[in-house]
Amino acid sequence: NAGVTQTPKFQVLKTGQSMTLQCAQDMNHNSMYWYRQDPGMGLRLIYYSASEGTTDKGEVPNGYNVSRLNKREFSLRLESAAPSQTSVYFCASNEIAGVGVKGTQYFGPGTRLLVL
Amino acid sequence: LAKTTQPISMDSYEGQEVNITCSHNNIATNDYITWYQQFPSQGPRFIIQGYKTKVTNEVASLFIPADRKSSTLSLPRVSLSDTAVYYCLGREVYSGGGADGLTFGKGTHLIIQP
Repeated sequence: NAGVTQTPKFQVLKTGQSMTLQCAQDMNHNSMYWYRQDPGMGLRLIYYSASEGTTDKGEVPNGYNVSRLNKREFSLRLESAAPSQTSVYFCASNEIAGVGVKGTQYFGPGTRLLVL
Repeated sequence: LAKTTQPISMDSYEGQEVNITCSHNNIATNDYITWYQQFPSQGPRFIIQGYKTKVTNEVASLFIPADRKSSTLSLPRVSLSDTAVYYCLGREVYSGGGADGLTFGKGTHLIIQP
């Protein structure tokens, strides 16, 4: 299993440009997540998808949109990039075995985004 | 979810046992304590999780006292490769009401020296 994969690994954008970050998992997990990590900080949740066909906002959703294309794929789109969106973006997935059961999140390798 | 407090950084030496303590005074009944490890340029990786008393796996041990207001991650005989950031999280048991995104603080930067 490849686990959670992300593309691209690194991207440079100019202010106002748009781009989509791709994420895929091959573990048949229901839930998927997008986080951002700024230098010296912990991760902050941007958006999540509890199951195929559903998405919802996390802690810092402004400036982003997401699409849960199918069970495997969850993409993050920046419509008009801003320097404040310079960060490392991590995708994660989680197997929710059922109510009351704790699950472990599996993270991808990250996408480093620089907005000039 | 419980707010957690942990030291910003710690130093130790190869072969030593390292204990990282996390405070979570307002932990809720449904919260589990979970630790993640993050190496530079990588995503976080799950280490261990527990609710009460002691949990041990092949990587670490987790000690949680009866009042659950703190927890201690214990790494036995550390090596240089254990240099990483360690995050303590309060993790709510999934209730079926939505997603369970993790709440990360700044973590503890552990530096292992030769």
